[in-house]
Amino acid sequence: DAGITQSPRHKVTETGTPVTLRCHQTENHRYMYWYRQDPGHGLRLIHYSYGVKDTDKGEVSDGYSVSRSKTEDFLLTLESATSSQTSVYFCAISESRLAGTDTQYFGPGTRLTVL
Amino acid sequence: AQSVSQHNHHVILSEAASLELGCNYSYGGTVNLFWYVQYPGQHLQLLLKYFSGDPLVKGIKGFEAEFIKSKFSFNLRKPSVQWSDTAEYFCAVNANTGRRALTFGSGTRLQVQP
Repeated sequence: DAGITQSPRHKVTETGTPVTLRCHQTENHRYMYWYRQDPGHGLRLIHYSYGVKDTDKGEVSDGYSVSRSKTEDFLLTLESATSSQTSVYFCAISESRLAGTDTQYFGPGTRLTVL
Repeated sequence: AQSVSQHNHHVILSEAASLELGCNYSYGGTVNLFWYVQYPGQHLQLLLKYFSGDPLVKGIKGFEAEFIKSKFSFNLRKPSVQWSDTAEYFCAVNANTGRRALTFGSGTRLQVQP
């Protein structure tokens, strides 16, 4: 398995509070991604990063921000959590320089519950 | 925008039965195709992938998939399932446009009965 850890693994928080999820990799891969997994929707991309300080939005980016100050860490922040952000969050990494041969590997996930 | 359809949401099979899970995508250009598996309580693991070449791709644990470009399909197959194959299976597509994000299907939950 790829060296990807996510913290925390479980979190319960209240509506309106800020939450930060961390993804840490030991593979020195350039690309990192945050997805959320919800029943009936598969996984949907929130944000991704193509290098330190280089990030871009995915299809469900509203209410989320990200930061990447080091190659190994990609942070996902919910500025003011809402119940609709209750989900399982997965981090992924990939390395290939060519998009045509890129394969993503996933971390263990963080289960977030917003009450 | 590209989309991925997995029409079988829940499949129940007996051990030793053959499996075929459907995956169709909507993008007319060059695509990269993936099948991931998620065992209960675990993260997604790559089963197999297709970039180019032989459209019949073999993956881990006896799984294979066939890319049929004319049908925009990438169906997953296994000739004889085991109880340990109980999991959720996700098809994913990347349109190979330089943007590396994957578009996932909604998943198929496979339950194998002993």
